Amino acid sequence: SQQGEEDPQALSIQEGENATMNCSYKTSINNLQWYRQNSGRGLVHLILIRSNEREKHSGRLRVTLDTSKKSSSLLITASRAADTASYFCATDGNQGGKLIFGQGTELSVKP
Amino acid sequence: DGGITQSPKYLFRKEGQNVTLSCEQNLNHDAMYWYRQDPGQGLRLIYYSQIVNDFQKGDIAEGYSVSREKKESFPLTVTSAQKNPTAFYLCASSIWGSEQFFGPGTRLTVL
Repeated sequence: SQQGEEDPQALSIQEGENATMNCSYKTSINNLQWYRQNSGRGLVHLILIRSNEREKHSGRLRVTLDTSKKSSSLLITASRAADTASYFCATDGNQGGKLIFGQGTELSVKP
Repeated sequence: DGGITQSPKYLFRKEGQNVTLSCEQNLNHDAMYWYRQDPGQGLRLIYYSQIVNDFQKGDIAEGYSVSREKKESFPLTVTSAQKNPTAFYLCASSIWGSEQFFGPGTRLTVL
């Protein structure tokens, strides 16, 4: 079952702009994770935010979590063409290590 | 050089054949996972294993089988009972409850 839903499904921006992707989920969680996938490749872990955290930063990435709204957002600042990829959120649904992935946001950054 | 590997990269199967996809990790992780990804979709969990000699069905286990005889290895067999096996298969490993590390994937096509 797909717990996470990303919005938008696709996003096209110019280099240097910020990109914001949103994720909504249905059940309570211990943590929420964001992953990146380049076309035809495996996923790469970006950031993990725990249910008792509200915001987390990693380089140009900023993740927020609102457990009352069951939603999270991923902000990529000053985007680059190399950021072009699909981005997925995943939640553990309070089931420990088992992750439930959303359908992803396809980001295209034009030079 | 730690990591997770999958082989082969591409696999072609005739109808009625069983095929086995390989997944090996040297990250010393107890947990391993198999996912299926269809075009434009998120990941769906096929099987997972929290510890050697133990594994559990995921959301779409029908037509698939696994074994976990060694900590480093978690092979997936796609049986003839899987009616629509053409997909991209991803293996991952982790410390249970933490970020998952993904292999490069195997693209399976039924001829």
